Amino acid sequence: GQQLNQSPQSMFIQEGEDVSMNCTSSSIFNTWLWYKQDPGEGPVLLIALYKAGELTSNGRLTAQFGITRKDSFLNISASIPSDVGIYFCAGQLRGQGAQKLVFGQGTRLTINP
Amino acid sequence: SQTIHQWPATLVQPVGSPLSLECTVEGTSNPNLYWYRQAAGRGLQLLFYSVGIGQISSEVPQNLSASRPQDRQFILSSKKLLLSDSGFYLCAWREQGAVEEQYFGPGTRLTVT
Repeated sequence: GQQLNQSPQSMFIQEGEDVSMNCTSSSIFNTWLWYKQDPGEGPVLLIALYKAGELTSNGRLTAQFGITRKDSFLNISASIPSDVGIYFCAGQLRGQGAQKLVFGQGTRLTINP
Repeated sequence: SQTIHQWPATLVQPVGSPLSLECTVEGTSNPNLYWYRQAAGRGLQLLFYSVGIGQISSEVPQNLSASRPQDRQFILSSKKLLLSDSGFYLCAWREQGAVEEQYFGPGTRLTVT
């Protein structure tokens, strides 16, 4: 099936540092979504992007829909302990039925206080 | 507002036993419903999705089946569990229409022994 390449797979940072992660694909996407999953819980939607070039913020989080429609990035500024978790990108492929999303493999974020 | 429930939260079952996991959504009508499996905190594998009562699409041939007996109820079943069925099962819903955002339930942790 279609793959989203999400990187890095894991990050170990100090509290207060900024974080950057991204997803890339060889295919074109109509939609990019970013989720965060806490241990033992379901993913929670953070940001949704619907237009190429779109830059959207949600508090300390900023995400962008790449101009080529094949990538997206998520930045977290001034990280805090509650940012720990797994971050997933997801996208809806152009030309595919609107019902399904393709998910990246996740970026595991660990923060040292 | 919409809420999604899953039960049970955790389940330990012997190999060869049957399985029934339930998902219900409140506060919306005619949603798209999804079952995902997540192994070891990694990516999400789409198992089944449904666009309406009695309509089930299977993504991966396997030991599981899904049913949608009511508009906001989605059930994941197996007649005989395998060890490889262990994992974290997530139900998600999406509003019918143009937006692609999926919202996840709290998940069920299944351990097959």
